[in-house]
Amino acid sequence: DGGITQSPKYLFRKEGQNVTLSCEQNLNHDAMYWYRQDPGQGLRLIYYSQIVNDFQKGDIAEGYSVSREKKESFPLTVTSAQKNPTAFYLCASSIRAGLNTEAFFGQGTRLTVV
Amino acid sequence: GQQVMQIPQYQHVQEGEDFTTYCNSSTTLSNIQWYKQRPGGHPVFLIQLVKSGEVKKQKRLTFQFGEAKKNSSLHITATQTTDVGTYFCAGKWEYGNKLVFGAGTILRVKS
Repeated sequence: DGGITQSPKYLFRKEGQNVTLSCEQNLNHDAMYWYRQDPGQGLRLIYYSQIVNDFQKGDIAEGYSVSREKKESFPLTVTSAQKNPTAFYLCASSIRAGLNTEAFFGQGTRLTVV
Repeated sequence: GQQVMQIPQYQHVQEGEDFTTYCNSSTTLSNIQWYKQRPGGHPVFLIQLVKSGEVKKQKRLTFQFGEAKKNSSLHITATQTTDVGTYFCAGKWEYGNKLVFGAGTILRVKS
């Protein structure tokens, strides 16, 4: 059963702690993306990766870090430097990073800082 | 920077009424995609428009791409309660591989 899986679905973090969100895909897609969703602001791009061992900053990369050591995995770390980390985080993948490719989204992780 | 502006932010309609959401870019897009996110769910791809002036239909949904490839619209005819959700446009430009989303339009349908 192919798809893109995010875990956990809900995550609570104490202020000042780093936390890593998991994103795994078995679609054999080259490109992967992390978005943050806040009410009324749509989806904002945090980081994206076009191929293994390569990634680029999106529009709101500050306070976040990623790695792409394997094609199927693109974990996102929310560091303590992120001032307002409470949000809904969505991971997506596409067959390649070129122009005419649709994005497939995971179910999302809702992160709450307590 | 590369941005896509989407309006309106919210739309409440009576079941059976039509609905339209609009997207605009200040620079020429290579393509534009449309996604739907149901409440509590994740965005799901609806369609992609690539050609200038392109019009595509999916049942009651009509998608248009402007002649200048800077704007696009999604029109739903005779809305149903199953249409509720947030509709996003997402643009790509010729140079670069980012998929940039608009802020989305939240559609509520009153029965």
